[in-house]
Amino acid sequence: DIVVTQSPESLAVSLGERATINCKSSQSVLYSSNNNNYLAWYQQKPGQPPKLLIYWASTRVSGVPDRFSGSGSGTDFTLTISNLQAEDVAVYYCQQYYSDPRFGQGTNVEI
Amino acid sequence: EVQLLESGGGLVQPGGSLKLSCAVSGLTFSTSPMGWVRQAPRKEPEWVSSITDSGDNAYYGDSVRGRFTISRDNSKNTLYLQMNSLRAEDTAVYYCVKGGHSYHDYWGQGTLVTVSS
Repeated sequence: DIVVTQSPESLAVSLGERATINCKSSQSVLYSSNNNNYLAWYQQKPGQPPKLLIYWASTRVSGVPDRFSGSGSGTDFTLTISNLQAEDVAVYYCQQYYSDPRFGQGTNVEI
Repeated sequence: EVQLLESGGGLVQPGGSLKLSCAVSGLTFSTSPMGWVRQAPRKEPEWVSSITDSGDNAYYGDSVRGRFTISRDNSKNTLYLQMNSLRAEDTAVYYCVKGGHSYHDYWGQGTLVTVSS
């Protein structure tokens, strides 16, 4: 069972600044046969379901602002929100889907 | 527009059963792996179960295996989750998701299941 651990639990960022969220998996989620990292990022606002932002660790979903970017490989991943906007206040989750899908515990981003 | 609409949630006593449904529109359901993800209050989402596009293969999380059964009716564009032997720790919002045993690119609004006496 691959566990993913996020840090920090909470993050306060000024408008226009950068937010960086880390996600570490207990085993590599890089599948060597296709060179894909089986890791996704989601955004969840109160009262709403999670929304997929990024998959394959760095592929942004169509329509997601380009201030959201994902990076990393193997066991260490990062979600970066550049130029933070008020509407980016939310909880962010990473998820590995290399084995049975599993979510991190979440990072609360506030202004 | 893709829509996933869950129904069937409610209050049930411990040991009871409930069947959730998810009506899907706006995508080719018969070629889409699907699944269920739940989220307890103030907790991270938890993957519950997935099913392949044909329905031939199903997968379950350790916490529900042997108690929950996922199924689908491709003629009705509907996904199901039969939940038996319910426990207090099954209390959560249950989301229908597209993507199955992978990332989930579409989510329903969820249906609340409360297990309590």
